[in-house]
Amino acid sequence: TQLLEQSPQFLSIQEGENLTVYCNSSSVFSSLQWYRQEPGEGPVLLVTVVTGGEVKKLKRLTFQFGDARKDSSLHITAAQPGDTGLYLCAGANAGGTSYGKLTFGQGTILTVHP
Amino acid sequence: EAQVTQNPRYLITVTGKKLTVTCSQNMNHEYMSWYRQDPGLGLRQIYYSMNVEVTDKGDVPEGYKVSRKEKRNFPLILESPSPNQTSLYFCASSTYQGINEKLFFGSGTQLSVL
Repeated sequence: TQLLEQSPQFLSIQEGENLTVYCNSSSVFSSLQWYRQEPGEGPVLLVTVVTGGEVKKLKRLTFQFGDARKDSSLHITAAQPGDTGLYLCAGANAGGTSYGKLTFGQGTILTVHP
Repeated sequence: EAQVTQNPRYLITVTGKKLTVTCSQNMNHEYMSWYRQDPGLGLRQIYYSMNVEVTDKGDVPEGYKVSRKEKRNFPLILESPSPNQTSLYFCASSTYQGINEKLFFGSGTQLSVL
């Protein structure tokens, strides 16, 4: 069974601070996705990283896939209250086909205070 | 508007009383799946379906049934609910895109079994 460990589980910061969320595994994934979930809603895909070492930017969010494709990080610069939510990483099994079957991390609850 | 629709949003029931949570998608996706979300455990897959009449178990299928008689619908059935099935449930759909697969989630069903 592939596992994804996310850390930290909770993060409470002030507006303007930077933060990093980590997603680690002992298994190799063919791709790694990051989702954001707001209260009362389902997760929404933010980004997919595919290549080892790949870096993708989405405004103030920077996503990185580890060289060995076993880990990923999400860095937020100058966090804003609108970034508050649950962040989930999810890995697609090595071999290329997930058929909607992703392995999810436990999630990181981020609260950004004004 | 492309969406996954789940009903009901909230459900309170008693142990042993059969219930069905409906899920419908309007994106003509081949793949649909059900997840449950529990604090500290992230999202865990219950069942998934690769197409009409094709379903398979996910990681936590015990106590659940599904059917896929039509491409757009994928109901989740709890024949005899128990309190340990109290959880937040999400239906998701996707079209196979290999390693760039994107899941679309419904808004969730909060189930309480007394």
